[in-house]
Amino acid sequence: GQNIDQPTEMTATEGAIVQINCTYQTSGFNGLFWYQQHAGEAPTFLSYNVLDGLEEKGRFSSFLSRSKGYSYLLLKELQMKDSASYLCAVRPFYGGSQGNLIFGKGTKLSVKP
Amino acid sequence: GAGVSQSPSNKVTEKGKDVELRCDPISGHTALYWYRQSLGQGLEFLIYFQGNSAPDKSGLPSDRFSAERTGGSVSTLTIQRTQQEDSAVYLCASSQGGEPTYEQYFGPGTRLTVT
Repeated sequence: GQNIDQPTEMTATEGAIVQINCTYQTSGFNGLFWYQQHAGEAPTFLSYNVLDGLEEKGRFSSFLSRSKGYSYLLLKELQMKDSASYLCAVRPFYGGSQGNLIFGKGTKLSVKP
Repeated sequence: GAGVSQSPSNKVTEKGKDVELRCDPISGHTALYWYRQSLGQGLEFLIYFQGNSAPDKSGLPSDRFSAERTGGSVSTLTIQRTQQEDSAVYLCASSQGGEPTYEQYFGPGTRLTVT
């Protein structure tokens, strides 16, 4: 089966650093994605990892360890606007007719002043 | 440029009625996906279209659900004989191609409420 786990909720303080973890068990692996979703809005793409290591993009970084089935999203210099749900998703299949993503339930991050 | 658009934004229907949800992908995107998001649940894959290939329907929860994509562009998701458990936000996404390196762009969703 396909299973993706991430914490349900997290709280952090403005200006701080927060790490959101994601573990996955899927039938295959062809990339891991992080999306941000503000309440009532569509998810927006944050990052994509397919090889082990850290990908940095401004205040956001994403890490992947394929051997451990583990990823994290690191948010630095938190701002109030970062309050949102963060969705971890895995693409288990390679190309062809199977292009869907398997999503975790999302982590709701609340940033406090 | 224009993003993915979906209509209607909200739909309230009575149990047993049929509904049609529409998705207009980003122009030139060959891949189109339908997901649904129920309260407290993650996004659930429904169906995937890639170019002229046969769609991947492996996520459709029952035979009451169907989707088509006309001319490789606009897609319609149809739910027949709606049930209360069909209440959810239905999200459409499109990408330049089916490879994972292509980012999926999501539309704003259609909130379906079955009473």
